[in-house]
Amino acid sequence: DTAVSQTPKYLVTQMGNDKSIKCEQNLGHDTMYWYKQDSKKFLKIMFSYNNKELIINETVPNRFSPKSPDKAHLNLHINSLELGDSAVYFCASSQGQRLMYNEQFFGPGTRLTVL
Amino acid sequence: AQSVTQLDSQVPVFEEAPVELRCNYSSSVSVYLFWYVQYPNQGLQLLLKYLSGSTLVESINGFEAEFNKSQTSFHLRKPSVHISDTAEYFCAVSQTGFQKLVFGTGTRLLVSP
Repeated sequence: DTAVSQTPKYLVTQMGNDKSIKCEQNLGHDTMYWYKQDSKKFLKIMFSYNNKELIINETVPNRFSPKSPDKAHLNLHINSLELGDSAVYFCASSQGQRLMYNEQFFGPGTRLTVL
Repeated sequence: AQSVTQLDSQVPVFEEAPVELRCNYSSSVSVYLFWYVQYPNQGLQLLLKYLSGSTLVESINGFEAEFNKSQTSFHLRKPSVHISDTAEYFCAVSQTGFQKLVFGTGTRLLVSP
């Protein structure tokens, strides 16, 4: 059983397109995250949701819009894709927001390539 | 602002040899420190963490890390590595009480026979 799953695993698309990445967790967690890992492996948080409410937004362009239909899902929609959006996107979840008590569980990542 | 530096992008080592993966951080406040491991084609998994108390923390698979406040370091060590330890290792820091993790750029550990 996969704890945190993401679809698709690979996504290749043209500049200017709109695409979505889906994330689901079956751990019963109430907090979910999106991270971006660039070509230099730098991993940076983008968003965090707690109980479907946005709690972290790390100055990400508004072309990126996360959507949380329920606690188990946090999808990432990207409009007008740019070359610089090429990266690996990781979803994660935790029970609660306090890192000292609550480990973050990561999905396998989605490799987005914008041509 | 917090930051994490992992100076070594890749560390090749022979099986059964010891290894140390270096991590230094900068922060003006108290922090929590973490090591995550990423095996090929998988997501990140928590390896170990330092929150408070003993400065030496251990994982279940033989890794250990020591928090050194004066040197602002949290180096990861293992006395004898296995082929299966081949993976990417990420050091991360979080300001005490907050949920945001700041990651280093990772160190690829390559264990060969």
